[in-house]
Amino acid sequence: SQQGEEDPQALSIQEGENATMNCSYKTSINNLQWYRQNSGRGLVHLILIRSNEREKHSGRLRVTLDTSKKSSSLLITASRAADTASYFCATGGVTGGGNKLTFGTGTQLKVEL
Amino acid sequence: GAGVSQSPSNKVTEKGKDVELRCDPISGHTALYWYRQSLGQGLEFLIYFQGNSAPDKSGLPSDRFSAERTGGSVSTLTIQRTQQEDSAVYLCASSLFQDPQETQYFGPGTRLLVL
Repeated sequence: SQQGEEDPQALSIQEGENATMNCSYKTSINNLQWYRQNSGRGLVHLILIRSNEREKHSGRLRVTLDTSKKSSSLLITASRAADTASYFCATGGVTGGGNKLTFGTGTQLKVEL
Repeated sequence: GAGVSQSPSNKVTEKGKDVELRCDPISGHTALYWYRQSLGQGLEFLIYFQGNSAPDKSGLPSDRFSAERTGGSVSTLTIQRTQQEDSAVYLCASSLFQDPQETQYFGPGTRLLVL
């Protein structure tokens, strides 16, 4: 079952614009991770934010986490056509859940030239 | 170094046949996970292995699904008497330890189509 949901389900922007994706989850977590998937195949890990962190940066990526609202956001700045992909949030270390990741529903991002 | 590899990349089978999917984790990674991605269910956890501990099989959808991990390295996911609803992309991931803060690295997946 899905731990959370992401919105929007689909996002289309122009190259150079910023893209923001949101993720909500339901239970207490140890961390939240963001992954990218191209063409329905392997997942590429982007960033992990721990439950005691509020914001994290990696290159053009900025992730925030609000545990009181059980939500996270992924911001991609100065987007490029190569950023076109599906983006998933995944929660890890859910109490009683071992270390398995529980994924959100994903956001399909399309960056147009 | 080499990432997680999976074989075959694609598998087409007939309903009722058995299939075996293989995963080679990153060398030295002690934890190995199987996930499934299908249109109706999204990405869902199937099973994970950690060292010599008993695997967590809580995500396996039915007793037709089983998995082994030999020698703490390569894993095989077996689906017996395949059904059309088993059609999906099967993803394997590994991590250095079974630690909630450890990143899981995914393979390219096996796309299974059951006719």
